[in-house]
Amino acid sequence: QVQLVQSGAEVKKPGASVKLSCKTSGYTFSDSHIYWLRQAPGQGLEWMGWINPSNGGTNYAQKFRGRVTMTRDSSISTAYMELNRLKSDDTAVFYCAKVLGPMTTAFDFWGQGTLVTVSS
Amino acid sequence: DIQMTQSPSSLSASVGDKVTISCQASQDIGNFLNWYQQKPGKAPKLLIFDASNLETGVPSRFSGSGSGTDFTFTISSLQPEDIATYFCQYYDDLPPIAFGQGTRLDIK
Repeated sequence: QVQLVQSGAEVKKPGASVKLSCKTSGYTFSDSHIYWLRQAPGQGLEWMGWINPSNGGTNYAQKFRGRVTMTRDSSISTAYMELNRLKSDDTAVFYCAKVLGPMTTAFDFWGQGTLVTVSS
Repeated sequence: DIQMTQSPSSLSASVGDKVTISCQASQDIGNFLNWYQQKPGKAPKLLIFDASNLETGVPSRFSGSGSGTDFTFTISSLQPEDIATYFCQYYDDLPPIAFGQGTRLDIK
C-alpha cells in the first residue's frame, strides 16, 4: 500500500533552518511529483512547491523562492524539504503529498505531517 | 492569482441532512477543482477530483459538481463520521495551487 512517512517534530529558533524528510513506499517513486504544503495552526492549506523525483526538477511557490530547497534521494525513495531563515510565522504542520496522476494535481496520498515550531 | 472563495465558513446540520458547500473561483478554472476532508490532527483526504469524480473508496453520499467559476460539494445524507473541515483546491498547469478557506461541519 502507498505510504508517505514524514520525519518527526522539530523546534527551531528564528533564523535557523529545518530539513524535513518524506519517505515513500508502495508505488514507483519517479511516477509522481512530490508536493510540500503547510498548514499554520487553525489555518488553511498553503502550497510550497514540488519536486519531480525522476529528474530532480523543482517548482517553488513565489512566496518561498530563495528560502526553500526541495531535493530527493531516489535510492531510498525519499524527498526532502529545507526551509531557511525561519520566522515565528513559519510555525506550522508541513505535509508532503503525491498526486493522483499526471493529468491532475489532486493529492491522493499524504504524509502524516510534521509540526515545526519556531520560537525563541 | 486566482482566488478561491469557499462558503459557508461553518455549518451545523443533523444526521441525515443534505449538506452543500460552495467554492467560487475568481476566474474560469474549467474543472480543475478538488475537494478534501480533514479531521483534527489528520492529513487531508481526497474525496472528489476534477470537480465531479469520486475518489476510489469514498462513499457515494459525497459528490461534486460545477465548472468554470462555480462549484458545489454535496453530502447527500450526513453521517456522524462526516464531521470534519472540508476544503476546495484549485490547480492548473502553472502555479499557484490555491485552497479555499475551509468549511467546518458539525452536528446540530
